[in-house]
Amino acid sequence: KAGVTQTPRYLIKTRGQQVTLSCSPISGHRSVSWYQQTPGQGLQFLFEYFSETQRNKGNFPGRFSGRQFSNSRSEMNVSTLELGDSALYLCASSWDVVNYGYTFGSGTRLTVV
Amino acid sequence: KNQVEQSPQSLIILEGKNCTLQCNYTVSPFSNLRWYKQDTGRGPVSLTIMTFSENTKSNGRYTATLDADTKQSSLHITASQLSDSASYICVVSASDDYKLSFGAGTTVTVRA
Repeated sequence: KAGVTQTPRYLIKTRGQQVTLSCSPISGHRSVSWYQQTPGQGLQFLFEYFSETQRNKGNFPGRFSGRQFSNSRSEMNVSTLELGDSALYLCASSWDVVNYGYTFGSGTRLTVV
Repeated sequence: KNQVEQSPQSLIILEGKNCTLQCNYTVSPFSNLRWYKQDTGRGPVSLTIMTFSENTKSNGRYTATLDADTKQSSLHITASQLSDSASYICVVSASDDYKLSFGAGTTVTVRA
């Protein structure tokens, strides 16, 4: 069965631009979460969606937003990009977060220049 | 506050040797603990998942242990291979919260 698919795999943007990242969860998984990982840092939680509703949110500025569609696919948007937004953005999905945790995608490597 | 601490932050071992990584947590009420392996630039991949009643689980050369009383877990890598070079992340789930608690990870470097 297909895993969590993130697109694009790599992305280069200019400071001040905005970017949209996409995540297709495993079929049947209704929970999708997003994480930012910068070099040498652990996974920083951005937000989690369940059945199109944001259920949890991390401590990131309002420039970071997301949404989930009825088919559970999710998008993450970052507006007014800053150099510090350069990171690996990971999406993960689950059908039962509490008991089974998440399955992660391969990530989108965003570079802001 | 739910927290997960991993040690050491990094370690270097020779190919063929064993090593043990530690994870201490304060997450409560505890639901399960998961070890992930993350290769550089890739997403984490689950190695093991353990619930309160399990104290040992193996996945090939990886063996995880859990002591729910002391809130400690370890990941033991046996006969290390170059492909074991990665970051190993401990993730703990609380039974009353959908927000997972992540450790900062241990970076393992295996040298020939």
